[in-house]
Amino acid sequence: GAGVSQTPSNKVTEKGKYVELRCDPISGHTALYWYRQSLGQGPEFLIYFQGTGAADDSGLPNDRFFAVRPEGSVSTLKIQRTERGDSAVYLCASSLTSGLQTQYFGPGTRLLVL
Amino acid sequence: GENVEQHPSTLSVQEGDSAVIKCTYSDSASNYFPWYKQELGKRPQLIIDIRSNVGEKKDQRIAVTLNKTAKHFSLHITETQPEDSAVYFCAARRDNTDKLIFGTGTRLQVFP
Repeated sequence: GAGVSQTPSNKVTEKGKYVELRCDPISGHTALYWYRQSLGQGPEFLIYFQGTGAADDSGLPNDRFFAVRPEGSVSTLKIQRTERGDSAVYLCASSLTSGLQTQYFGPGTRLLVL
Repeated sequence: GENVEQHPSTLSVQEGDSAVIKCTYSDSASNYFPWYKQELGKRPQLIIDIRSNVGEKKDQRIAVTLNKTAKHFSLHITETQPEDSAVYFCAARRDNTDKLIFGTGTRLQVFP
C-alpha cells in the first residue's frame, strides 16, 4: 500500500510568516510522529500522537510550534512567526501502534525560512 | 535524557569489504535499537532492528549486535556494494516512551 506522504515537499517562506506542514500516515496506523532533521544531523523528535491526542510533545522547541491530528489520521504541524533557525527537513513517521513497532518515515518537507 | 553517539562520521570502503558502524547509548532503560539508511534527498528507511532481549540479529549481508552491559550496539555490513553507499543512522528507544533518539549519522561510501 501507499507509504507515508507529506506535503508540500518544499516550502520557502519569509521570517515571521506562518506555515503548515501536512502528513498523511499509512492507512490504519494509529501512531504518528514528527521529527526535524537539520543538515548533517540525525532526526530530532518533536511530538508523538497516539490516535487524536498528543502523547508526548516534549520535543517541541517552543510555543511557536504546534501540531494537531483531529481525526486520528492526517496531522498538521504548524509553525508561527517562523525564524531562520527553523529551516530544516521536517519528517513525519507512522507506526501500526505504539510500543515496539517499526516507524515508517515520509519523504519530508524541506522548509527554508529566508 | 537519552543520548546516542555514533562513530565514525564517515567511512570509506572498497567494494566487497566489510563496514562496521558503532553506537553507544546513555539510558540503560532503552530496549529497542533500529538502524535506518538514508540516501541523499530520500526518506530514512529501516534496514534492521534489535530488541534488548537478544544479542545479535542477522538479515543477509546485514547484522546488528547489542551489548547491554556496555550500552553499545553495532551495524555490520558484509560484502559491501556501491548501492550500500548512503548515510546510516542508529537510534534508541527508551522502555516507557515511543520517541526515537537518533545518532548523528555515518556517511558510508563504497568504491567499486
